[in-house]
Amino acid sequence: DTAVSQTPKYLVTQMGNDKSIKCEQNLGHDTMYWYKQDSKKFLKIMFSYNNKELIINETVPNRFSPKSPDKAHLNLHINSLELGDSAVYFCASSQAGQGPPLHFGNGTRLTVT
Amino acid sequence: AQSVSQHNHHVILSEAASLELGCNYSYGGTVNLFWYVQYPGQHLQLLLKYFSGDPLVKGIKGFEAEFIKSKFSFNLRKPSVQWSDTAEYFCAVIPNSGGYQKVTFGTGTKLQVIP
Repeated sequence: DTAVSQTPKYLVTQMGNDKSIKCEQNLGHDTMYWYKQDSKKFLKIMFSYNNKELIINETVPNRFSPKSPDKAHLNLHINSLELGDSAVYFCASSQAGQGPPLHFGNGTRLTVT
Repeated sequence: AQSVSQHNHHVILSEAASLELGCNYSYGGTVNLFWYVQYPGQHLQLLLKYFSGDPLVKGIKGFEAEFIKSKFSFNLRKPSVQWSDTAEYFCAVIPNSGGYQKVTFGTGTKLQVIP
């Protein structure tokens, strides 16, 4: 009955590869997010997306792209992976107007070698 | 744009000691404030939140935080810590006019509680 689930939990890959991280929420929330947590634990929002609007943090390279097949899923696709992409990526969701906070997934630790 | 500062990067306490973690923000308008906790290897979980009303907010696991508007602060406190409180603590701010896409997290404070 996990609220926000991400797969895989760990992802090790080589530079230049393309990879995807999947995220699903069963909370019925209308907005989903991707965050990047770097080695210093700094959390930065990458994208927020609902069925109406995609908001992109302008500092995110265009090698990163969110893909949402439906309201309950927001996958993160990364092209041409670089060493600096190594981080923990968290998916989160929220419901507009409800006030409750972000619900986070357990994170995906991406290591690029 | 808003910013959040957590000046304590690493705090080490013995069990039963009292805890206070600092959080200061900068923003010209009304804000909503949060504290999240991240246990080792886990995701962020909400400890407590302030939207309006009583500036002293009580959260889960005995934590509380006080919003002092004049000081732009939202410090987290616990009178007596336990070993299980060992975790990373993040303060977060959202402008009252914005949604969660506008949330800004602090850089976190690592709390280590020694039995």
